[in-house]
Amino acid sequence: NAGVTQTPKFQVLKTGQSMTLQCAQDMNHNSMYWYRQDPGMGLRLIYYSASEGTTDKGEVPNGYNVSRLNKREFSLRLESAAPSQTSVYFCASSEAGGSQRDTQYFGPGTRLTVL
Amino acid sequence: DQQVKQNSPSLSVQEGRISILNCDYTNSMFDYFLWYKKYPAEGPTFLISISSIKDKNEDGRFTVFLNKSAKHLSLHIVPSQPGDSAVYFCAARTGANNLFFGTGTRLTVIP
Repeated sequence: NAGVTQTPKFQVLKTGQSMTLQCAQDMNHNSMYWYRQDPGMGLRLIYYSASEGTTDKGEVPNGYNVSRLNKREFSLRLESAAPSQTSVYFCASSEAGGSQRDTQYFGPGTRLTVL
Repeated sequence: DQQVKQNSPSLSVQEGRISILNCDYTNSMFDYFLWYKKYPAEGPTFLISISSIKDKNEDGRFTVFLNKSAKHLSLHIVPSQPGDSAVYFCAARTGANNLFFGTGTRLTVIP
């Protein structure tokens, strides 16, 4: 049982390049999330998927797109990377978003640098 | 605008003593609060939580206190152990999916 896995662990991009961050969970969770963490700031929600087939914007969605490929996988795409998107990206999943007690489980993160 | 604030970026405590990590929030609509612990190069892991209808929740060495009138919560770790050295994030929820995180406090437990 690997929990939440993310690939790649590290990535360096040039401004304007595109890439997709992959996330998968093996806990049969319904909800999945993408966060970014910047120095001196807490984690901020980019997008989330409450259930398979649905996605919604979080606090900082601009410059990103997401795909909930199936129940297990939730990808984050940067179409044209900008230096402001340099950050550590965390994927998370939870059993059933919408419950007050719903606990989110996080992956190990992807450290992205945009030059 | 940071809705959840952790004003102490770091805290050092002797092993065996109590560690107290503090968190303040501004949004009175928050109804559930959580603490996450994060080691380097790993994702945050859930530690303990508390509903807004309670003022205390205890789990082993960890206790979370909530003071709604002051919009303040704290995490107490007793006794502190070297393995507790990590970054601790306070988080708050309003509604279904949005979790708002503080900036974190780095706890160092000195053997």
